[in-house]
Amino acid sequence: EAQVTQNPRYLITVTGKKLTVTCSQNMNHEYMSWYRQDPGLGLRQIYYSMNVEVTDKGDVPEGYKVSRKEKRNFPLILESPSPNQTSLYFCASSLSGSNYGYTFGSGTRLTVV
Amino acid sequence: GQQLNQSPQSMFIQEGEDVSMNCTSSSIFNTWLWYKQDPGEGPVLLIALYKAGELTSNGRLTAQFGITRKDSFLNISASIPSDVGIYFCAGQEGAQKLVFGQGTRLTINP
Repeated sequence: EAQVTQNPRYLITVTGKKLTVTCSQNMNHEYMSWYRQDPGLGLRQIYYSMNVEVTDKGDVPEGYKVSRKEKRNFPLILESPSPNQTSLYFCASSLSGSNYGYTFGSGTRLTVV
Repeated sequence: GQQLNQSPQSMFIQEGEDVSMNCTSSSIFNTWLWYKQDPGEGPVLLIALYKAGELTSNGRLTAQFGITRKDSFLNISASIPSDVGIYFCAGQEGAQKLVFGQGTRLTINP
């Protein structure tokens, strides 16, 4: 089944403790992206990647890092999480040149206390 | 970053009623997309629009790409309980970047 898989689905952590949210897609898509969803703000793009080793900042990149060492994986790294990063995170992927937007994962709900 | 203005923010309707929501932007988009998000899941694409003035249907859903390329609307006819969820518009802004509206939360009373 074609899908975008994120792990974990739920995570509670403490301020300052480094964490990684993994994302993997099995559709051989070139483009991958991370979004965060907050009430009343819709989805905002954190980082995106157009291919292996090619990444760029989205609208809200502060406090996040990403890497794209393999085409299928695009982990999101929070080096020192803070409470304002408590949010619902979505990974998504898309075929290069496609006009069908992104296919989204099921989300990771992160709470930073 | 840019954000689209989506309205209404929430709707409470009776089963069987028609629904209409819209999205406006200060910038032009070449592609408009409408997504639906069910509780606990990621957004799923409903309709994609590629040309100004285009009207596209997907079952009971109809969406239009505004003539000015700065707006779009989504209609749902004869709503049913499974239509409950959050609907998002999105404009595609080059290099596969999507700019999203704030969402419309649809609640249906049986």
